[in-house]
Amino acid sequence: QKEVEQNSGPLSVPEGAIASLNCTYSDRGSQSFFWYRQYSGKSPELIMFIYSNGDKEDGRFTAQLNKASQYVSLLIRDSQPSDSATYLCAVFLGGTSYGKLTFGQGTILTVHP
Amino acid sequence: SAVISQKPSRDICQRGTSLTIQCQVDSQVTMMFWYRQQPGQSLTLIATANQGSEATYESGFVIDKFPISRPNLTFSTLTVSNMSPEDSSIYLCSTRTDSGGYGYTFGSGTRLTVV
Repeated sequence: QKEVEQNSGPLSVPEGAIASLNCTYSDRGSQSFFWYRQYSGKSPELIMFIYSNGDKEDGRFTAQLNKASQYVSLLIRDSQPSDSATYLCAVFLGGTSYGKLTFGQGTILTVHP
Repeated sequence: SAVISQKPSRDICQRGTSLTIQCQVDSQVTMMFWYRQQPGQSLTLIATANQGSEATYESGFVIDKFPISRPNLTFSTLTVSNMSPEDSSIYLCSTRTDSGGYGYTFGSGTRLTVV
């Protein structure tokens, strides 16, 4: 099992729809979870972080965390073509915020007009 | 949060040669991290660089191939030595942010092609 695994893509949604991106992680002691967006040819950009079980909302983005299920997700509401990018889930493994930040393989999202 | 300037942005190199990538941070940071992103792949941590000590390398990466320097709290270099086409990747330096949940912020990356 990979340490951080994302649902296989690519994911294609129409403009205005909700895009749902999923991620599971292997280390039950993990405490810190991040979502990055990476446009083609660019470096990753941090868009969300979450520490506590439940939902965390920031504008059109909602991160959801379920530690019992070792599952973290990102919802993008009212998807726009500018949201088309690769989304990377990242986790501090080892139960601390100073461990190695480990990335999933990424999910390519395409939002079509 | 910290802003990282990374150079070169891209390079095409001959096999057997070496390339040194530089990262300059606009503030003092304790730890810097070097990642590799192979074509179509995710990010893999190469090593962690602390000022004043040897870098800590991840499994599969060795100092002879990827020597790292960290002469002060704002600067680090990664050298890709004796390059082969398999080293063609994007190399990224990063450091922790003061905000954003203490995730990592990244330099703009170096796109390396070995021919």
